[in-house]
Amino acid sequence: GQNIDQPTEMTATEGAIVQINCTYQTSGFNGLFWYQQHAGEAPTFLSYNVLDGLEEKGRFSSFLSRSKGYSYLLLKELQMKDSASYLCAVREVGGSYIPTFGRGTSLIVHP
Amino acid sequence: DTGVSQDPRHKITKRGQNVTFRCDPISEHNRLYWYRQTLGQGPEFLTYFQNEAQLEKSRLLSDRFSAERPKGSFSTLEIQRTEQGDSAMYLCASSSRDLTDTQYFGPGTRLTVL
Repeated sequence: GQNIDQPTEMTATEGAIVQINCTYQTSGFNGLFWYQQHAGEAPTFLSYNVLDGLEEKGRFSSFLSRSKGYSYLLLKELQMKDSASYLCAVREVGGSYIPTFGRGTSLIVHP
Repeated sequence: DTGVSQDPRHKITKRGQNVTFRCDPISEHNRLYWYRQTLGQGPEFLTYFQNEAQLEKSRLLSDRFSAERPKGSFSTLEIQRTEQGDSAMYLCASSSRDLTDTQYFGPGTRLTVL
């Protein structure tokens, strides 16, 4: 099984850049997902990484290093609406390929 | 693509009662998942279907929980003899077996057991 670690909470200022880290341990890596979840709502898919490197999607980018068991989600030009929980999920090789979710990082954006 | 839908959105019940939730996945998705989420935690896997076959159940899923997907389309999750510890958000997700197999979540059913 996986051991996924994310910071519990982060704060940042509107317009700034924030990096949310995720570290994991797995016996056979098969992909990492980032989701955004606003309070009381369902998780919304943000990004998927399976190869090393940076994937950019507008204001959001996600980075993966498989050798280090490490990923980060980078949010640029922060907006108030980015205040949410950000979930890292890791999938292992074999079995049903069901991702395991971390506890999530609660991001608070203030003016 | 209307997305994943769940019904009801909220359910309040008394301890000991049975409850049933429904999930309608994205129409072309053949995989369907149930998760449970409590405050401050990530989604916790409960069970998974590929078409109508239930392929995996979490060891955390007690025998009070049962799920079905009779025709490979919508799914139901039933909790019998509810307990206060069952209070949580129950999330349904679906995916198609494409390159990424990305899960898309429904809005969830919030269960409160009094």
